[in-house]
Amino acid sequence: DTAVSQTPKYLVTQMGNDKSIKCEQNLGHDTMYWYKQDSKKFLKIMFSYNNKELIINETVPNRFSPKSPDKAHLNLHINSLELGDSAVYFCASSPGLAGVAEQFFGPGTRLTVL
Amino acid sequence: AQSVSQHNHHVILSEAASLELGCNYSYGGTVNLFWYVQYPGQHLQLLLKYFSGDPLVKGIKGFEAEFIKSKFSFNLRKPSVQWSDTAEYFCAVNRSNTGKLIFGQGTTLQVKP
Repeated sequence: DTAVSQTPKYLVTQMGNDKSIKCEQNLGHDTMYWYKQDSKKFLKIMFSYNNKELIINETVPNRFSPKSPDKAHLNLHINSLELGDSAVYFCASSPGLAGVAEQFFGPGTRLTVL
Repeated sequence: AQSVSQHNHHVILSEAASLELGCNYSYGGTVNLFWYVQYPGQHLQLLLKYFSGDPLVKGIKGFEAEFIKSKFSFNLRKPSVQWSDTAEYFCAVNRSNTGKLIFGQGTTLQVKP
């Protein structure tokens, strides 16, 4: 009964490829997020969706495209992968946009671009 | 630039030692403050949070944090650490209703048995 799940857990690919990471939450939350954790473990928000609507879009290259088919899913598609995209990507969800709302994180997807 | 700073990048303690991890932020006005923990091989989970009321907040596993508005700080404390507290600790700030969490750089805590 995993609350926030991501697939795959590990992803190794060549530069220039296109890949997707999937995220699902079974908490009934309205809001979902993607974070990137770099090699120094620094976590930075990339996107957030509320009720399938894009709310936050940080200065992320447009090679990254999130898609939310429904409230329970937020997928991340990355085109033309670059070496610098290697990182751990975390999905999260929360019961709304309120600043006090706790965010629940998935287990992360470790992306390695060769 | 708006930021969250964690002063200690890597802390090594022996079991039963007391812990204090520093966190400072540079935002004015109302803020909501969080500490998250990431145990080895696991996802981030919430330790505690502050949004109003008593500035001394108690969380899970014996952790507490104190919000000092005048110092823009939200330091995490535990009187006696255990080996199982070995983990990454992240301070985070949210100052809007967009859900945008700004994280500090994280602190690696290693507790020696």
